[in-house]
Amino acid sequence: GQQVMQIPQYQHVQEGEDFTTYCNSSTTLSNIQWYKQRPGGHPVFLIQLVKSGEVKKQKRLTFQFGEAKKNSSLHITATQTTDVGTYFCAGPALGNTPLVFGKGTRLSVIA
Amino acid sequence: DVKVTQSSRYLVKRTGEKVFLECVQDMDHENMFWYRQDPGLGLRLIYFSYDVKMKEKGDIPEGYSVSREKKERFSLILESASTNQTSMYLCASSIRRGYGYTFGSGTRLTVV
Repeated sequence: GQQVMQIPQYQHVQEGEDFTTYCNSSTTLSNIQWYKQRPGGHPVFLIQLVKSGEVKKQKRLTFQFGEAKKNSSLHITATQTTDVGTYFCAGPALGNTPLVFGKGTRLSVIA
Repeated sequence: DVKVTQSSRYLVKRTGEKVFLECVQDMDHENMFWYRQDPGLGLRLIYFSYDVKMKEKGDIPEGYSVSREKKERFSLILESASTNQTSMYLCASSIRRGYGYTFGSGTRLTVV
């Protein structure tokens, strides 16, 4: 079945450093979605990318969807302690089946 | 504010008990989902429903069943709880297929 892989599994950064997490799907995706889960919380939807090669920004966060619609990345510029949490990518295969989630990247920010 | 509400934040049940996890959404969403989240395994899909009275198996349906009698309510049932079902259970809904999910706060179930 469809698999979604994320790297790295963990990332520890100094406050102010940049952070990137990468997502790869075994199948072509109709869209890619990103979620953030704070420690002790539940996943919260951040954004959805639909078009091949699409790039979207939310303040210090930049999301990219690959040309082949099988990979994506999330880049955070100048991390802050409020960025702490686990970032998940998720995608439905073509046909809009339920989301398959990557295992997430846990970000720690050292002040 | 739109919400997905899960009835219990924490539950402790005994092995062999029948367990009901309730989920209600107030957003008139078509689709509802149950995932479990375990360390190192991520979120895994148990069951989902694209319409009232409709249900589909996800990736790990064994030992579970679901009920969706009304659009806003999606219940997960553990027919006979076992210790390997100790987990965080997350309910989610989406307005349509392929759209973003709204998650509930989760139910941390411990089976002893």
